[in-house]
Order: sequence, then C-alpha cells, then structure tokens
Amino acid sequence: AQSVAQPEDQVNVAEGNPLTVKCTYSVSGNPYLFWYVQYPNRGLQFLLKYITGDNLVKGSYGFEAEFNKSQTSFHLKKPSALVSDSALYFCAVRFLPKTGGYNKLIFGAGTRLAVHP
Amino acid sequence: EAGVAQSPRYKIIEKRQSVAFWCNPISGHATLYWYQQILGQGPKLLIQFQNNGVVDDSQLPKDRFSAERLKGVDSTLKIQPAKLEDSAVYLCASSLGRREAFFGQGTRLTVV
Repeated sequence: AQSVAQPEDQVNVAEGNPLTVKCTYSVSGNPYLFWYVQYPNRGLQFLLKYITGDNLVKGSYGFEAEFNKSQTSFHLKKPSALVSDSALYFCAVRFLPKTGGYNKLIFGAGTRLAVHP
Repeated sequence: EAGVAQSPRYKIIEKRQSVAFWCNPISGHATLYWYQQILGQGPKLLIQFQNNGVVDDSQLPKDRFSAERLKGVDSTLKIQPAKLEDSAVYLCASSLGRREAFFGQGTRLTVV
C-alpha cells in the first residue's frame, strides 16, 4: 500500500541545536515530496518541496530537507533550532497510482517538534 | 495573492444533525481537496476535484458525506447525518497541477 511514515511522534531539541524530523515513504514511481508545518488552530503551511535535481532542498524559515532515493527518505533538517519552531510537522507525498487515475497527495501522521530554551 | 478561504471556523452540532462547510480556493487552482484531520492524526483525503469533476472520492463515506464544486471554483462539503466520530478539523486545499497544495485554516467540527 502507498504510505508515508513519520516514525517519531515527538522530537525534543534544545534551542540552538540542530534538528532532524524523519520521513520515509512507500509509493510507486517518482514522487514529489513536501514538508508542511501546522501551528495550533491553523491550517497546514507549506515549507519546502523536492521534485527533481539537487537532493538537498532549502525552504522557508531556515529549514532544509534531504532526499535519499535509495532509502526512500526525505528528512527535514535545520542547523539551529528556535523555540518558535515548536509545532506539528507533516511530510507529504504526491504520486501517480499504479492503477491509473489522477495524482494523489497523502500525508504522514505528523511529528511534534518541541524546542526547549 | 489571497489564500484558501474556509467557513465557518468552528461548528458544534448534535449527532444526527446536518452541517455544511464552504471553501473558496486560490484563483486559478484547478485542483481542490477536502481533508479530514482527526486530533493527533495526519490529514486524510476525503475527496479531490479537478475543475468541477471528482477524480478521487475513494475514502469519502458516501452514505453520509457529499461534496460538490459547481462551476469549478468554490466547493461545499456536507455531512448528513453527523456521527460522533465525525468530530475533526476539515481542511480545504487547492493546487496548480502537481505543485504544492495550499491550505485554508480549516473548520473545527464538534459533534455532541
């Protein structure tokens, strides 16, 4: 089955330290990969995407993500975490189903990032 | 550029009542999505429109949920009758082709 996995429910990091939020996927073909952030009582906000090209992509607020095709992973990273980065982060994958039809956009279960002062 | 607009922001109804949510996507975005986000979970796709046609409604509980996108612009999602397990945030999103989707702020539904 096509799926997106975020293995950690929560990631805790001290302010100023680097952070990594993990994402792996299992879908057909060559997917488009996305990261979104959600603050309390808000919708999802787009952070960055990988479509093709350089495996390291840069996005909003100093975030970046590394695409690894062999490991089917797309981990979100930031060199120096801020308390204001504390939020819920979702990995998403857009792919074409093997059975045909239109492209689908599916999400992982989310990872709560807590940055402590 | 205006974002995705949703209304209402909050709704409380009793079980077995009906409710409707409205979404106006970003101008020019042909693809419109409705997602259900239950507390502590990731968004689950309910229905996807391409212009005014449905391209995916495989996870829509069709016995109680319905959606339409007349004229290929704004959309309405309806639940009738509502159940307790329908309590969730309903998110509308739109996109241009296969690019990133942009989300509205969502409607938080509480069924009591």
